Amino acid sequence: SQQGEEDPQALSIQEGENATMNCSYKTSINNLQWYRQNSGRGLVHLILIRSNEREKHSGRLRVTLDTSKKSSSLLITASRAADTASYFCATDDNTNAGKSTFGDGTTLTVKP
Amino acid sequence: NAGVTQTPKFQVLKTGQSMTLQCAQDMNHNSMYWYRQDPGMGLRLIYYSASEGTTDKGEVPNGYNVSRLNKREFSLRLESAAPSQTSVYFCASSPYFTGTTNYGYTFGSGTRLTVV
Repeated sequence: SQQGEEDPQALSIQEGENATMNCSYKTSINNLQWYRQNSGRGLVHLILIRSNEREKHSGRLRVTLDTSKKSSSLLITASRAADTASYFCATDDNTNAGKSTFGDGTTLTVKP
Repeated sequence: NAGVTQTPKFQVLKTGQSMTLQCAQDMNHNSMYWYRQDPGMGLRLIYYSASEGTTDKGEVPNGYNVSRLNKREFSLRLESAAPSQTSVYFCASSPYFTGTTNYGYTFGSGTRLTVV
């Protein structure tokens, strides 16, 4: 069964707007990661946030983590057409086995 | 600058045929993984190898076998393909080893497999 569930499933915005995607998970985690997948390609790692962190930034990306609510959000600011992709959250549980469990993803379309 | 290389990129099999998907990484990573991605869904872990010489089952291992041939190569074998195995298969690697933090995977570009 999937650990993470992204919301919304699909998001369409105009270039320059901000995009927010949410991820909820079920069990305690060691860390949470976000990946991007362009159509027909492999996933690309974007950012990792550890369970003891609340917020992390990387360029135009901002990730928050609320372990009490078992949820995370990914904010992309000043979006560009090139940000059009699917975004997945992935969680590593506390077994330290290095295995990530992926959600079903949010498909983001940024219109020029 | 290859990263993770998967072959083949596309394959069509008939039900009952067998095949091996190849994966090689040139980043000296310890851990390697095989995931499948069905349309509109996330990735599900088939098998993984936390180090050379070890392999473990993931969430959906039935119908598959794996071999960690050496540190670089991790192959996935379908012994008797079924239509339910139609999917996109991704190999990934990570520098992770037991006791450290998994800082994220490097993925290959995928193998699109159709079983008819």
